[in-house]
Amino acid sequence: DAGVIQSPRHEVTEMGQEVTLRCKPISGHNSLFWYRQTMMRGLELLIYFNNNVPIDDSGMPEDRFSAKMPNASFSTLKIQPSEPRDSAVYFCASSLRGGQFFGPGTRLTVL
Amino acid sequence: AQSVTQLDSQVPVFEEAPVELRCNYSSSVSVYLFWYVQYPNQGLQLLLKYLSGSTLVESINGFEAEFNKSQTSFHLRKPSVHISDTAEYFCAVSEGYSTLTFGKGTMLLVSP
Repeated sequence: DAGVIQSPRHEVTEMGQEVTLRCKPISGHNSLFWYRQTMMRGLELLIYFNNNVPIDDSGMPEDRFSAKMPNASFSTLKIQPSEPRDSAVYFCASSLRGGQFFGPGTRLTVL
Repeated sequence: AQSVTQLDSQVPVFEEAPVELRCNYSSSVSVYLFWYVQYPNQGLQLLLKYLSGSTLVESINGFEAEFNKSQTSFHLRKPSVHISDTAEYFCAVSEGYSTLTFGKGTMLLVSP
């Protein structure tokens, strides 16, 4: 299995632009998680899906953030408009039972 | 609500020395426990997990952790570390097969 796949690996954009991060979970996994990691706040759970349905989005910082999971093999995290404080590494993880498997992350820099 | 405490933000050790990374958790129900490792500029990798059964769990690269319910701890140990073990280690807890609550991480620094 290729593991969790995320794209792009790096994204540099200017403040105000829309950013879309993509994730392909491990085939057969029924839960998908989006995290954000920064030096200041560590690892934060943004949202998670179970069987493609959003279960808990309480970690989504603002209305500028939105996430979708149109099918079992694809999810997106969108930031519109982006701000410099959104700069972070964004991880996607998937799980079936007992432990999450993380993707390599997308390093986002908003100038 | 559950929480995880990793008391040490950094643990410096010499190569071939033993190491223990501490993790304590709080929860009102039965939990599953995990250790993840993050190498520089990489994602988190699952190192080992406790779901049920034997309270001592091992990883393929020589780490082990013991679930101690009375002390609500899940400390990670290795009898002899290598330079390549330098990384950040995260302890995590979940109540069932849902979200994980992570500790703030412990940076293990192995020097020659």
